[in-house]
Amino acid sequence: DAKTTQPTSMDCAEGRAANLPCNHSTISGNEYVYWYRQIHSQGPQYIIHGLKNNETNEMASLIITEDRKSSTLILPHATLRDTAVYYCIVFGAAGNKLTFGGGTRVLVKP
Amino acid sequence: SQTIHQWPATLVQPVGSPLSLECTVEGTSNPNLYWYRQAAGRGLQLLFYSVGIGQISSEVPQNLSASRPQDRQFILSSKKLLLSDSGFYLCAWELGSGANVLTFGAGSRLTVL
Repeated sequence: DAKTTQPTSMDCAEGRAANLPCNHSTISGNEYVYWYRQIHSQGPQYIIHGLKNNETNEMASLIITEDRKSSTLILPHATLRDTAVYYCIVFGAAGNKLTFGGGTRVLVKP
Repeated sequence: SQTIHQWPATLVQPVGSPLSLECTVEGTSNPNLYWYRQAAGRGLQLLFYSVGIGQISSEVPQNLSASRPQDRQFILSSKKLLLSDSGFYLCAWELGSGANVLTFGAGSRLTVL
């Protein structure tokens, strides 16, 4: 599976949009981009995933560049409860295991 | 709807004692099952995954083992715990086709003294 690179940490103001970048320059054609988050002392929670097109759901939006070498997770209106570690993962449909990197520790401040 | 259960939620064990953590999934059939470990302040490390009964793949060498005696049951075991086995153990499942979205259990926090 391709590796990802994310900033170690970032702060965000409550009520503002949080834009979380992820680089995955070695992604292959059949690999999806997945985002999970882990709130302290809980199991990770699925947020969103995509292949080529931008995706949106009730939690977030995922913007994937045209060359698919990077993506951005957007939390449109961050709340204090969005404070968590956010993991960007690329995963091939033919594989059967997700491997988590270090993630980005996001702190939403009032 | 599907649910995943892990127990015990918290465990304190002496070094050298055995371990058994259990995970069960309800509401689905033939899931892919995973065990992850998270040491304090660290990321998630994939330990084992299983695509079917009796089929276990190990990702890292260690003194832990996993078994899948039934379709929706995944057990993590050790014969003799080490201090370094302390951590937050997470079980997860996914259907292995289509979206491959992992759903995690609430976790089991193990402290080895």
